Amino acid sequence: AQKVTQTQTSISVMEKTTVTMDCVYETQDSSYFLFWYKQTASGEIVFLIRQDSYKKENATVGHYSLNFQKPKSSIGLIITATQIEDSAVYFCAMREDYNQGKLIFGQGTKLSIKP
Amino acid sequence: GGIITQTPKFLIGQEGQKLTLKCQQNFNHDTMYWYRQDSGKGLRLIYYSITENDLQKGDLSEGYDASREKKSSFSLTVTSAQKNEMAVFLCASRDWGNQDTQYFGPGTRLLVL
Repeated sequence: AQKVTQTQTSISVMEKTTVTMDCVYETQDSSYFLFWYKQTASGEIVFLIRQDSYKKENATVGHYSLNFQKPKSSIGLIITATQIEDSAVYFCAMREDYNQGKLIFGQGTKLSIKP
Repeated sequence: GGIITQTPKFLIGQEGQKLTLKCQQNFNHDTMYWYRQDSGKGLRLIYYSITENDLQKGDLSEGYDASREKKSSFSLTVTSAQKNEMAVFLCASRDWGNQDTQYFGPGTRLLVL
């Protein structure tokens, strides 16, 4: 069975620094897709970035990038030059290729950015 | 652009009551989802639907029914509300063309007295 685990419950960093949030996953499938979503204090959930398991290059979008370590079943989210508005809960999620869009989410990591 | 609307925003029910939550999307997406989020927790899939009149159970389907009579709408019914239950129910739709993103609605907050 597939599973996604985020062990960091909360992280606090200073503004303008770099932060990494961890995520490990379990799957029997050889092809899968990994996602990161952000939930703001208002409850809004937005998609941030995606990594396909067959791609060796780490995905990057704006100041978000991924550290994909396939042998370790790990997909870390890196945020560089953090801003106050990056304060939110970040969820890692996985979709197995055969699934019709079914996503399994991790428990989330609460990120606080201090001025 | 499009939007997902969920009604009601807040739902207060009594133990044993049947409660229905509604979701509408104007993205014209085929696949829609219902998730439950408990305080401080992740999202757990209750039901999803890949097209009109299709229903697929998620990991948390027990105690819930769903209905997808139109492409644009997806309803969730709590068949028998549990006392002291409190959670947020989130509806989402899937955008194949944009990195397989899911767009989420604002949620319905449920409280059972």
